[in-house]
Amino acid sequence: GQSLEQPSEVTAVEGAIVQINCTYQTSGFYGLSWYQQHDGGAPTFLSYNALDGLEETGRFSSFLSRSDSYGYLLLQELQMKDSASYFCAVRDQGSNYQLIWGAGTKLIIKP
Amino acid sequence: DAGVTQSPTHLIKTRGQHVTLRCSPISGHKSVSWYQQVLGQGPQFIFQYYEKEERGRGNFPDRFSARQFPNYSSELNVNALLLGDSALYLCASKLAGETAAYEQYFGPGTRLTVT
Repeated sequence: GQSLEQPSEVTAVEGAIVQINCTYQTSGFYGLSWYQQHDGGAPTFLSYNALDGLEETGRFSSFLSRSDSYGYLLLQELQMKDSASYFCAVRDQGSNYQLIWGAGTKLIIKP
Repeated sequence: DAGVTQSPTHLIKTRGQHVTLRCSPISGHKSVSWYQQVLGQGPQFIFQYYEKEERGRGNFPDRFSARQFPNYSSELNVNALLLGDSALYLCASKLAGETAAYEQYFGPGTRLTVT
């Protein structure tokens, strides 16, 4: 079956750097996505990795290692507005290429 | 341009009733997907429609059904509601249906409470 594991909660200080890890198990990996969701809001797309390596978009970066079935989201220069839940999701060939989501990591930022 | 819109925003129903949720995708987007998100969990895929045809179905009972209209808007129907159907129902649209179109845009969701 398919499964994703990510920490349930991470705490960091404003201005710091935080890394949110995601490990996955799928029957046919096709790409790893990251989404941000504020309380009461809709998920918003952050990044997508289909190949190994680091993708950088402003303060956010996402990394993928297909051989390790592992990826992470790196958030730099943390701001209070980054307090949200972060979800990793894989596009799985075994699920007709639909997105399978992790349970989410709640990022708490302290001043 | 308007984003993905969903209606209603909140809904309270009784067990055994039926509910219809509606979604309008971003203009030009032809693919619509539906997700169920229970509090504290990630979204669970229910359906994807592209060009009015079902392109994917998640592990949900037959009480759940959906359709897409010629204008690419979509409805999600749930029959014989159970308490466990209480959740946030999210609609997401993207430009096309093929796997290369990975970026989805989500609507604000419909909060369904079943009592």
